[in-house]
Amino acid sequence: AQKITQTQPGMFVQEKEAVTLDCTYDTSDPSYGLFWYKQPSSGEMIFLIYQGSYDQQNATEGRYSLNFQKARKSANLVISASQLGDSAMYFCAMREGGDYKLSFGAGTTVTVRA
Amino acid sequence: EAGVAQSPRYKIIEKRQSVAFWCNPISGHATLYWYQQILGQGPKLLIQFQNNGVVDDSQLPKDRFSAERLKGVDSTLKIQPAKLEDSAVYLCASSWGGGVNSPLHFGNGTRLTVT
Repeated sequence: AQKITQTQPGMFVQEKEAVTLDCTYDTSDPSYGLFWYKQPSSGEMIFLIYQGSYDQQNATEGRYSLNFQKARKSANLVISASQLGDSAMYFCAMREGGDYKLSFGAGTTVTVRA
Repeated sequence: EAGVAQSPRYKIIEKRQSVAFWCNPISGHATLYWYQQILGQGPKLLIQFQNNGVVDDSQLPKDRFSAERLKGVDSTLKIQPAKLEDSAVYLCASSWGGGVNSPLHFGNGTRLTVT
């Protein structure tokens, strides 16, 4: 069964606007971590933000924030004030306490328009 | 701090040939991973090492793929013989530990084309 689901294959956003990337996950483990990565066309995988299953607050890192809704098993990434350099593929990923491997979703391509 | 180093950056081979990829993780990182990323998809774990022991190789096609991590530092991934469907980017990653809160740090990857 798919552990991480990203339903938006591609999105367009206007420069300086905010964009929300959806991610839902499936686990029965009470201890898990959720990660978002950015992959530009150059190919490197860049770690953006982390949210732990026991964290009470939503994670934020600069222009990135995570909208964590535990009961709905969703961990959406919000990018505020989009920049042209934000154009990339974005992956949601999860590590479960009993497993530790990082499982990725299929990704969402974001294209920022000037 | 130096990042995860991988080489080569690109490789083109013919089917049935063999190929090897090299990875040097971030200093002090005990856990090392090899992922395969087919174009347009998310990365798929091939093998995970904790120090020089294998933690998970359930997704590694063992009839043709092999990996080792000598002395708990550098790692090599080998494909022999290669098939057309092995064309992908091979990503190496490392983390300081195996805990749920430990992010993976990735290298730039090796783009393999099998013709």
